[in-house]
Amino acid sequence: DAGVIQSPRHEVTEMGQEVTLRCKPISGHNSLFWYRQTMMRGLELLIYFNNNVPIDDSGMPEDRFSAKMPNASFSTLKIQPSEPRDSAVYFCASSLAGGTQMDEQFFGPGTRLTVL
Amino acid sequence: KQEVTQIPAALSVPEGENLVLNCSFTDSAIYNLQWFRQDPGKGLTSLLLIQSSQREQTSGRLNASLDKSSGRSTLYIAASQPGDSATYLCAVRPIASGTYKYIFGTGTRLKVLA
Repeated sequence: DAGVIQSPRHEVTEMGQEVTLRCKPISGHNSLFWYRQTMMRGLELLIYFNNNVPIDDSGMPEDRFSAKMPNASFSTLKIQPSEPRDSAVYFCASSLAGGTQMDEQFFGPGTRLTVL
Repeated sequence: KQEVTQIPAALSVPEGENLVLNCSFTDSAIYNLQWFRQDPGKGLTSLLLIQSSQREQTSGRLNASLDKSSGRSTLYIAASQPGDSATYLCAVRPIASGTYKYIFGTGTRLKVLA
């Protein structure tokens, strides 16, 4: 298996532009997580999906952020409009979480976002 | 609210030393605890996952222990090598209805000197 795939790996954009980050989870996994990592705040959970349904989006910083999971093999995180304080590394992770304890998380390589 | 703390924030040791990384959490009601490694500029790699019913897990030179009652976990690295240099994060999965999310600590940045 190729693991969790994220694209792009690096994104540089100007303030006010729309940014879309993409994630392909590990095949067969039914939970998907979007995290943001900064030096100041560490690793923060933004939103997670179970069986393509958003379960908890309490970590989404504000309405400029939105996430979708149209099917089991694809998810997007969109920021519109982007701001310099959104600069961070965004990680996607997936797991096989079926209500048991066996839900080891596997992370993608991340997307480094820089908003100028 | 569950909080996860890792001390120290940074650690530098000579090659060959055995070392212990600490993780503490405030609420013992957890499903499991997971240790990760993160190399600079890279994603997180899962090292060990300990179920709440387990006391420890081992993988090669790594051994992770869990003491739920005291809210502590340790990651023991035997015979450390320069290649072990990375940031190590622990994360707990709280017991809460319908949630599969993990709460992460801020990590311990380890440097093993050759």
